[in-house]
Amino acid sequence: EVQLLESGGGLVQPGGSLRLSCAASGFTFSSYAMSWVRQAPGKGLEWVSTIGGSGGTTYFADSVKGRFTISRDNSRNTLYLQMNSLRAEDTAVYYCAKVQYVFDVWGQGTMVAVSS
Amino acid sequence: EIVMTQSPATLSVSPGERVTLSCRASQSVSSNLGWYQQKPGQAPRLLIYGASTRATGIPARFSGSGSGTEFTLTISSLQSEDFAVYYCQQYNNWPPYTFGQGTKLEIK
Repeated sequence: EVQLLESGGGLVQPGGSLRLSCAASGFTFSSYAMSWVRQAPGKGLEWVSTIGGSGGTTYFADSVKGRFTISRDNSRNTLYLQMNSLRAEDTAVYYCAKVQYVFDVWGQGTMVAVSS
Repeated sequence: EIVMTQSPATLSVSPGERVTLSCRASQSVSSNLGWYQQKPGQAPRLLIYGASTRATGIPARFSGSGSGTEFTLTISSLQSEDFAVYYCQQYNNWPPYTFGQGTKLEIK
């Protein structure tokens, strides 16, 4: 069974940092691009970042460019999102998703709250 | 950036009814359009990709159509478990991937 399990969320002060992880199982992790998608409380879905299967290509939404870094460890079947200079507007549930043109498999999400 | 617009924002319907949700793109996305269902407290679930192909395990009562800028998701006979929020998403021109704002199906 294909599964994605996020971790690392929590409460952080504005300007702080957090690293999210997404452990993948049930598929050949290195063969697929992976993405992070977030959802602010009561709001819709917003794409955050995507990384290619080998990790060599990365893409970011303008709202996080220069503050967030996406990476992956294919030996550990794990995706990461390093979030720096966090702002209140980054408060959201962060989902990792497997990419096969669309986001075909999603994790359960991890909550990030940015507040003083 | 391609803007995706869904209508209506909320739809009140009765179980057993047929319902059609709309999604419009600000420029052509060909057939590179997906639909997702999200229930409260849950992650989104892929329903449709390629505008009209059901994802694995999705019941036949869900169907998608359209190409270019106009798309629809039809649920032929609403079941109780179908009351949720539905999102469309384009993957023709990215980055960024863009989602519609969602349509909430509520019980009438």
